[in-house]
Amino acid sequence: GAVVSQHPSWVICKSGTSVKIECRSLDFQATTMFWYRQFPKQSLMLMATSNEGSKATYEQGVEKDKFLINHASLTLSTLTVTSAHPEDSSFYICSARDLTSGGIYEQYFGPGTRLTVT
Amino acid sequence: RKEVEQDPGPFNVPEGATVAFNCTYSNSASQSFFWYRQDCRKEPKLLMSVYSSGNEDGRFTAQLNRASQYISLLIRDSKLSDSATYLCVVNIITSSGAQKLVFGQGTRLTINP
Repeated sequence: GAVVSQHPSWVICKSGTSVKIECRSLDFQATTMFWYRQFPKQSLMLMATSNEGSKATYEQGVEKDKFLINHASLTLSTLTVTSAHPEDSSFYICSARDLTSGGIYEQYFGPGTRLTVT
Repeated sequence: RKEVEQDPGPFNVPEGATVAFNCTYSNSASQSFFWYRQDCRKEPKLLMSVYSSGNEDGRFTAQLNRASQYISLLIRDSKLSDSATYLCVVNIITSSGAQKLVFGQGTRLTINP
């Protein structure tokens, strides 16, 4: 099946610093990747939709200047959390849609990145 | 009203029991429906898609009622390995024509030996 990787799997950073998370589709091309955030005991919340070669589309309430998304190729999207604060501590998960999936809408999820801001 | 609502849980059932999860969605234009499984501190994994005709995969049966905007998942002969959080997921079409998945809050299931 389709594989999506994320790096790093976990990161601890100090308040005020920036953290970059990478999401890669390993064996398929993805024009669209999605970034989710999950707080403890809550469900996944879509943050933004990342389209290759164009600007990301952010969900309501998500600060685009704080969560920078770059989707420079069909296999890589990055999320940068700028000036991180403790309330940004969360589980960040990316997913990608396989171009060949046709009419079946299925996303493949990365293993997630656990961010802790101290 | 939340776009996707699930039983709050948690469910604690003995091994071998049958357990049912329910889910309702608010967007009548929703196109696709799924059940995902998420283990603790892991990413969600697709369990099965849900079709109007109902579908079965081994011990798992999913059903969709479009008129009632209701989705269900039935697990028969539950195993210890079924312990996880089950997420009801709906694919919706936004006003701009984009597709996105909306997740329910999940129902935690624990199977006891």
